[in-house]
Amino acid sequence: DSGVTQTPKHLITATGQRVTLRCSPRSGDLSVYWYQQSLDQGLQFLIQYYNGEERAKGNILERFSAQQFPDLHSELNLSSLELGDSALYFCASSPSGMAEGGYTFGSGTRLTVV
Amino acid sequence: AQSVTQLGSHVSVSEGALVLLRCNYSSSVPPYLFWYVQYPNQGLQLLLKYTTGATLVKGINGFEAEFKKSETSFHLTKPSAHMSDAAEYFCAVRNTGNQFYFGTGTSLTVIP
Repeated sequence: DSGVTQTPKHLITATGQRVTLRCSPRSGDLSVYWYQQSLDQGLQFLIQYYNGEERAKGNILERFSAQQFPDLHSELNLSSLELGDSALYFCASSPSGMAEGGYTFGSGTRLTVV
Repeated sequence: AQSVTQLGSHVSVSEGALVLLRCNYSSSVPPYLFWYVQYPNQGLQLLLKYTTGATLVKGINGFEAEFKKSETSFHLTKPSAHMSDAAEYFCAVRNTGNQFYFGTGTSLTVIP
């Protein structure tokens, strides 16, 4: 157990729907990062939050949004889902805003859009 | 811009043989380099990292990697493969702006 908790582990939904993925960072970590892993794109950085504020943005679609709450858990919202959004979504955390030591990853949420 | 290239998307070795997974990076500044391992249906786990100092870095499970600036490489090795080493391995580089760039991964198969 890495200490980073992601729920749900699996999600199956229809095109056009909206889902919310949840992440609780490792105890003491202030930064949360979201990644999308697909077979054709590999690991793609989506967004980083640090202590409740957006810190960095990657290849995140406008249909996707995220936030980090005062208790430091984070949610990734995916809307108007398309078949191509099917992927593994990982959350990672680090103690500070600068992950010099690398990330701690959660076990991911597998999203299937049908 | 930073990028990471992992040569060989699939590598097969016999149990007990040397494991060598190749990673080359491009970076305009001294990089921070990482290797992660991903077991089936799990998240990525940090194997080892190079930030500064000694260029030969030892990690968990008997793995090590050597940072070679002249070759812009950070290859991962293990002297003797175990069945439990079968997994996907990712090389990553972090730039000074805290952006991580991951390679496309190398799937390691260990043959009994």
